[in-house]
Amino acid sequence: ETGVTQTPRHLVMGMTNKKSLKCEQHLGHNAMYWYKQSAKKPLELMFVYSLEERVENNSVPSRFSPECPNSSHLFLHLHTLQPEDSALYLCASSKDLVRGAGEKLFFGSGTQLSVL
Amino acid sequence: RKEVEQDPGPFNVPEGATVAFNCTYSNSASQSFFWYRQDCRKEPKLLMSVYSSGNEDGRFTAQLNRASQYISLLIRDSKLSDSATYLCVVNEAAGNKLTFGGGTRVLVKP
Repeated sequence: ETGVTQTPRHLVMGMTNKKSLKCEQHLGHNAMYWYKQSAKKPLELMFVYSLEERVENNSVPSRFSPECPNSSHLFLHLHTLQPEDSALYLCASSKDLVRGAGEKLFFGSGTQLSVL
Repeated sequence: RKEVEQDPGPFNVPEGATVAFNCTYSNSASQSFFWYRQDCRKEPKLLMSVYSSGNEDGRFTAQLNRASQYISLLIRDSKLSDSATYLCVVNEAAGNKLTFGGGTRVLVKP
């Protein structure tokens, strides 16, 4: 148990659906992240939040919309996705932002998303 | 050139043997380095940080070579449970992100 909980574990959705991924961290961390892991590709950083404020958006398509209502919760809202968006979506947290200080990431179990 | 590059493997290792593999990084200003372990269909988990002087944790030894811009991981006395993908992670001096390598897959066989 890493202290970062993601739901759902698996999600199958059509291209016209709207769904949301949820992440909750119980570690008292200040920073939260969304990563995408596609088959045979390195983890790609999507969004970074620090104390509920979005810090970074790595050119992610607008069909992905993050929300951070408080420092313990992070959502990823999905709409009109494409089949190539099928991947493992991982939430992570760290005590503070990664700024060259050697902050370690704690990951949730991920949501395996399939877009049909 | 990729920012962080790893040999994808797989490295097929007899149980009890030693295996070592490297990870190269392109940004000479990188400051922090880590090895994460990821089991099949699971989340990455921190294995160990990599310090300039090198560090050891049980059967695992990590080294940093700043001159040649690579880090290494050595696993001694390999166990079946060491089978996993090992992710190299580098934190640059600026910015808010850790850059992940594609991972090196290790398969320990009886």
